[in-house]
Amino acid sequence: NAGVMQNPRHLVRRRGQEARLRCSPMKGHSHVYWYRQLPEEGLKFMVYLQKENIIDESGMPKERFSAEFPKEGPSILRIQQVVRGDSAAYFCASSPYPVPGNTIYFGEGSWLTVV
Amino acid sequence: TQLLEQSPQFLSIQEGENLTVYCNSSSVFSSLQWYRQEPGEGPVLLVTVVTGGEVKKLKRLTFQFGDARKDSSLHITAAQPGDTGLYLCAGARRGSSNTGKLIFGQGTTLQVKP
Repeated sequence: NAGVMQNPRHLVRRRGQEARLRCSPMKGHSHVYWYRQLPEEGLKFMVYLQKENIIDESGMPKERFSAEFPKEGPSILRIQQVVRGDSAAYFCASSPYPVPGNTIYFGEGSWLTVV
Repeated sequence: TQLLEQSPQFLSIQEGENLTVYCNSSSVFSSLQWYRQEPGEGPVLLVTVVTGGEVKKLKRLTFQFGDARKDSSLHITAAQPGDTGLYLCAGARRGSSNTGKLIFGQGTTLQVKP
């Protein structure tokens, strides 16, 4: 886990507000992944990015969710007009490229609660 | 449909006992990873296996990748209370090689009682 930094660790939003989750990858890692862990469910892939480019967003809900990884600064997962069902733990992971053994390293997560 | 099935889902044992957790699929995976997750924390990588039939040991933990690369197991010898946690298997399907796009199992919650 060392090195992948996520913030905030805990976030409370009212329904209809926006949530922004930030992720700084491990030093030397060029690729970032976002996963979501809903209560009582396993981790689900959402999106895979490299700097200034979304590589695979097949797991991202079509509406209200977006992700970016700008040239400078952290990757951001943005959820607009949050609903109660968005309450979950959101994990960021990072890897170098190529990805040896498909191995990625996770941050400690951001817990979103929608009230 | 769960692509990676873990069993058992819950396991409560006494300190000193041995246990095995299974991760099964009908699909072939390029690699499989095992993670351990504590409450309120992110998954921590334990091991990656990439070759069919591969066996890796990490102290009292033994990991095996099936010959056909469709399944894996985690065996813990002489479990200790510190082994308590959620164990997750995850894999990259062929076609997702060289990416971090992983499919996760539902997890096995292990409780080791002193």
